Order: sequence, then structure tokens, then C-alpha cells
Amino acid sequence: DSGVTQTPKHLITATGQRVTLRCSPRSGDLSVYWYQQSLDQGLQFLIQYYNGEERAKGNILERFSAQQFPDLHSELNLSSLELGDSALYFCASSLRDMGVGYTFGSGTRLTVV
Amino acid sequence: AQSVTQLGSHVSVSEGALVLLRCNYSSSVPPYLFWYVQYPNQGLQLLLKYTSAATLVKGINGFEAEFKKSETSFHLTKPSAHMSDAAEYFCAVSDNTGGFKTIFGAGTRLFVKA
Repeated sequence: DSGVTQTPKHLITATGQRVTLRCSPRSGDLSVYWYQQSLDQGLQFLIQYYNGEERAKGNILERFSAQQFPDLHSELNLSSLELGDSALYFCASSLRDMGVGYTFGSGTRLTVV
Repeated sequence: AQSVTQLGSHVSVSEGALVLLRCNYSSSVPPYLFWYVQYPNQGLQLLLKYTSAATLVKGINGFEAEFKKSETSFHLTKPSAHMSDAAEYFCAVSDNTGGFKTIFGAGTRLFVKA
């Protein structure tokens, strides 16, 4: 157990739907990162939050949004889902945002049918 | 912007042989460099990191990596492969340009033959 908790572990939904992925960072970590992993795109950085504020944005689609709450957990919202959104979504956390490695959760596998 | 290139999407070695996984990076400022390992159906786990202290970095499970600025490389090695080393390995780079994100390479899958 890495200390980063992601729920749910698996999610199957239909095209056009909206889902929310949840992440609880390791105790004491202030930064949360979201990554998308797929066979064709590899591991793509989506977005980072530090202590409730957005710090960096990557290749995140406009249909996707995220936030970090006062208790430091984070949610990634995916809407108007397409087949191509099927992927593993990882959350990672770290104490600060530079010079440190991340602790990853075990991921949420999203399947859009 | 920073980037990472991992040479070889698949590497196969015999048990007991040297493991060498190659990584080259691009960064306009001194980077932080990392190696992660991913076992099937699991998240990534940090193996080791370079943060401008010693150029030879030792990590977990007997792995080490050497930072070579002149070659912009950060190759991962292990003297003797074990069957349990079979996994996917990711090199990653982060610096303070363009935000505080870490960029991952495409990954190298390591196969270990008995």
C-alpha cells in the first residue's frame, strides 16, 4: 500500500456520460498530480494541485476538470466521455512540488463503451 | 520544455546478466531525474532520483543510475538481473520551467529469461 488511495479501481461507463475519479494523497503530502496512461499515448501529465491551488497544467482536455479540496483530496471529473478516453488514470502525491519523487496510487481503470 | 527519450521499448536479458536501460533527457536548466518501475496492474514506484548531489545514484532493489551531463543521459543499471525485475521502467525529468510537472518517457519493458 503506497498511501495514495484512488477510487474506484474500475469504472465502466457509456459514451457521453460523466464520471468522477477520487484521490486521497499520502498523509502529509500537499501536491497532487493526475496522469493518464494509455497504450498509444503512454503516461501523460494532466494537471497538478498544490495545497488547493492549481500549479501546472498538461495535456488536459477541456472536457476534463479537477480540483483539490481543503482536506487535500482531489477529484478528476471527466465529461462527455468518448471511447478514446478509456485509459488508466493515476493520481500521485508528494510533499512539495520540485526535486522529489512521487508516490503513485494504483490507478482507476476507465472503460468507455 | 523538458523531454525524455528511452531507447528501446523492450529489453530482454538472461537471469544474472547486466541490466542496462537507456534514458536521454532534454532540459534547458539543471534537471531533476527519476526512474520508476511499474509492475502489472500496479501504480508506478520510485526506484531512484537525481537531485544534483552525487552523479551516481543508488536506488532500491540493487538498481543504480549515473547522471552524465555531457551526454544528457541517465541510464539505469543493475549488475545481475533477477526474475522479479521483469516490469516496465520509466525515466522521468522535471525542472522549474513550464510549471512544476514531471514528464515521463515512453517506458521500457524488461523481460528476464531463466
